[in-house]
Amino acid sequence: GQQLNQSPQSMFIQEGEDVSMNCTSSSIFNTWLWYKQDPGEGPVLLIALYKAGELTSNGRLTAQFGITRKDSFLNISASIPSDVGIYFCAGQLYSGAGSYQLTFGKGTKLSVIP
Amino acid sequence: NAGVTQTPKFRILKIGQSMTLQCAQDMNHNYMYWYRQDPGMGLKLIYYSVGAGITDKGEVPNGYNVSRSTTEDFPLRLELAAPSQTSVYFCASRNRGLISGNTIYFGEGSWLTVV
Repeated sequence: GQQLNQSPQSMFIQEGEDVSMNCTSSSIFNTWLWYKQDPGEGPVLLIALYKAGELTSNGRLTAQFGITRKDSFLNISASIPSDVGIYFCAGQLYSGAGSYQLTFGKGTKLSVIP
Repeated sequence: NAGVTQTPKFRILKIGQSMTLQCAQDMNHNYMYWYRQDPGMGLKLIYYSVGAGITDKGEVPNGYNVSRSTTEDFPLRLELAAPSQTSVYFCASRNRGLISGNTIYFGEGSWLTVV
């Protein structure tokens, strides 16, 4: 199956700092999705990107769909303690007959030091 | 609006026991999915369904079975639990369509330990 390389695997930052994480793939996707998973919870969608080159913001979060359709990044500005969690990228590919394939990265574990 | 509801939240099984993880969604979504998440890993697709009566294998289907008798429900069955099935299981759903806004929604997860 398709593989997504998500980096960094984990990061420790000071409160107030900006954060950047990214995902790359050897294959193209139709859609890029970014999820956050809090401890003991299911993933929650943060941002969805549908077109190559698209840049979308959601509050302090900004994500971009790479021009080549093989990568995406997520930025978090002015981090706060509640940003702690695991962030997953996911690439989605329409494979015909109403069927989608969704491939997840392994996650970036974010820790915020007050 | 309940969204995607999974039960149970936590369960400990003995090797060889059977159990069913329940999943229900109230959004009238056509597509439903079961993923497992192992420590430090992303989500891997076990089974999925594109509508009532239709199911298909995902990336890691061995040791599991599913059924989709209604649009709302998509139970996951473990017939002979093995330690390798210790994981967190997530059910998810989405609507049909190609246009923007067609995103996937997850349940809160079911923590399963096989001892």
